[in-house]
Amino acid sequence: QKEVEQDPGPLSVPEGAIVSLNCTYSNSAFQYFMWYRQYSRKGPELLMYTYSSGNKEDGRFTAQVDKSSKYISLFIRDSQPSDSATYLCAMGGNNNDMRFGAGTRLTVKP
Amino acid sequence: DAGITQSPRYKITETGRQVTLMCHQTWSHSYMFWYRQDLGHGLRLIYYSAAADITDKGEVPDGYVVSRSKTENFPLTLESATRSQTSVYFCASSLGLAEAFFGQGTRLTVV
Repeated sequence: QKEVEQDPGPLSVPEGAIVSLNCTYSNSAFQYFMWYRQYSRKGPELLMYTYSSGNKEDGRFTAQVDKSSKYISLFIRDSQPSDSATYLCAMGGNNNDMRFGAGTRLTVKP
Repeated sequence: DAGITQSPRYKITETGRQVTLMCHQTWSHSYMFWYRQDLGHGLRLIYYSAAADITDKGEVPDGYVVSRSKTENFPLTLESATRSQTSVYFCASSLGLAEAFFGQGTRLTVV
């Protein structure tokens, strides 16, 4: 079993839809959680990070962490074609050894 | 320019050859990382470094060597390249435990 599980998709939604992306994990030592966005042939770029359970909002993006269920989510409101990318969840503990999900490819159609 | 840069962007090498991928960051970040990205596996950590002269193995270190004599540079060497090392390699840096910033990647093909 992988430490971090993420559905690779692909996921296709119409413009304006709410997108929900999810990851589950098995390592209770993970303390911080991140979402990265990666455009084709580019490096990942950090979207959001959080250290605690609960919600964190940044514009159209909301990150949600449920440590008791070992489940994290990223919600994108009013999705735009420019949001089309691969989204990677990542998490780590005190040793700075981050683990990534396999990534979910998202397409937002105009 | 400020940021993190990788070189070369593309590399083709033969099986058995030694190849070095370069990574340079201008932020003076303490932590630096090397990942490989393959379909179905996502990003897997090869090696990381918490500071100059301090390196540690990640998830998939076999066949790779790193060094960090200066804070800003973190080269990755494949001592004897194999076809299974064909991948896209990403270098990243961070100040602390989170918020890693990635380079543009090096696409390596071993023939």
